[in-house]
Amino acid sequence: DTAVSQTPKYLVTQMGNDKSIKCEQNLGHDTMYWYKQDSKKFLKIMFSYNNKELIINETVPNRFSPKSPDKAHLNLHINSLELGDSAVYFCASRGGGNTGELFFGEGSRLTVL
Amino acid sequence: GQQVMQIPQYQHVQEGEDFTTYCNSSTTLSNIQWYKQRPGGHPVFLIQLVKSGEVKKQKRLTFQFGEAKKNSSLHITATQTTDVGTYFCAGPGSGTYKYIFGTGTRLKVLA
Repeated sequence: DTAVSQTPKYLVTQMGNDKSIKCEQNLGHDTMYWYKQDSKKFLKIMFSYNNKELIINETVPNRFSPKSPDKAHLNLHINSLELGDSAVYFCASRGGGNTGELFFGEGSRLTVL
Repeated sequence: GQQVMQIPQYQHVQEGEDFTTYCNSSTTLSNIQWYKQRPGGHPVFLIQLVKSGEVKKQKRLTFQFGEAKKNSSLHITATQTTDVGTYFCAGPGSGTYKYIFGTGTRLKVLA
């Protein structure tokens, strides 16, 4: 069983389109994240939800809207896609306890043409 | 805002050579985590350091947290081709939940 799963794994679309990426974790964690990894491999935090509540919202364009229907799911919707949105988007969930390590999904590679 | 830098950005080594990546934060960290991302893969947690001056070992990997808790290092002894990937440090930003990732060090090991 995959702990953190994202769909789709690959997404190729035209500029101006709207797309969504879904994420689910079966670890029972309360906190989930979206990170963006660009072509230089920099990992930037975008959003975080704790038990369905938005707790981190970095300087991300309004075209990006996260939604957490329950604490096991965190989806990302992107409106009016731009070339610069091309990246790999990683979902992650955070373990509790002393470590608080992040468990990442396999990533969703978005290509905007 | 808080920044976490890593050097070097890239490192190519011959198999069997040692490798070290350094992580520097602009602010004091309560803890630091290290992750490894294989090519085409996702980041995978390696370890967390909490105490000032802490040193932890995992087989050929040695992790160190600086005395001032603003820097950290990862040292790999006698690299193998399986060590290839990008190594990231990550520290908590403002609040408990926000983990800021370092710029990463991409390691290539030549057989």
